[in-house]
Amino acid sequence: DAGITQSPRHKVTETGTPVTLRCHQTENHRYMYWYRQDPGHGLRLIHYSYGVKDTDKGEVSDGYSVSRSKTEDFLLTLESATSSQTSVYFCAIRGGGIGGQFFGPGTRLTVL
Amino acid sequence: TQLLEQSPQFLSIQEGENLTVYCNSSSVFSSLQWYRQEPGEGPVLLVTVVTCGEVKKLKRLTFQFGDARKDSSLHITAAQPGDTGLYLCAGDPDQFYFGTGTSLTVIP
Repeated sequence: DAGITQSPRHKVTETGTPVTLRCHQTENHRYMYWYRQDPGHGLRLIHYSYGVKDTDKGEVSDGYSVSRSKTEDFLLTLESATSSQTSVYFCAIRGGGIGGQFFGPGTRLTVL
Repeated sequence: TQLLEQSPQFLSIQEGENLTVYCNSSSVFSSLQWYRQEPGEGPVLLVTVVTCGEVKKLKRLTFQFGDARKDSSLHITAAQPGDTGLYLCAGDPDQFYFGTGTSLTVIP
């Protein structure tokens, strides 16, 4: 199994509060991704990174920011959480080439 | 608008039956991946198909990439209860897109 962890695994927060989710990998993979998974929408890409300090927006990036200061860590921040951001968030990693992704266990976020 | 359409959305079959799941798009992909996801866990990569018309086998699972690189199929032979899960296809015309998935239940 790919060495990828997410923290926290569960979080309940209130509308308007900032939230940061962490993804940590031990594989030294170049690419890292943040997705959200919602019923009826499947997995949707929020942001991704193709190297340290190199990031780009995905399909549903509004309301989210990311940072990658080290190869092994990719942070997802909700500056001011809203109820529409209640979801399960998955981090994924990928090496170079055209291979698939390896996913973390997910973070279940509830915004009240 | 969903870039990758999967069908059927739900499938419930008896143990021992065969089934096929489809993943279709109007876009061309350099590769397509198939994943299986169980409740409460992240998706797990099953296979990546790259070449036009490519067929890959993984035990009782057969994956095919379409000749036009716009579609793929997953065929399971003699389904078992352990095959139960959400099957997702994904591709990257520019960034990664996932289909909404096929939820498979295999009844013992």
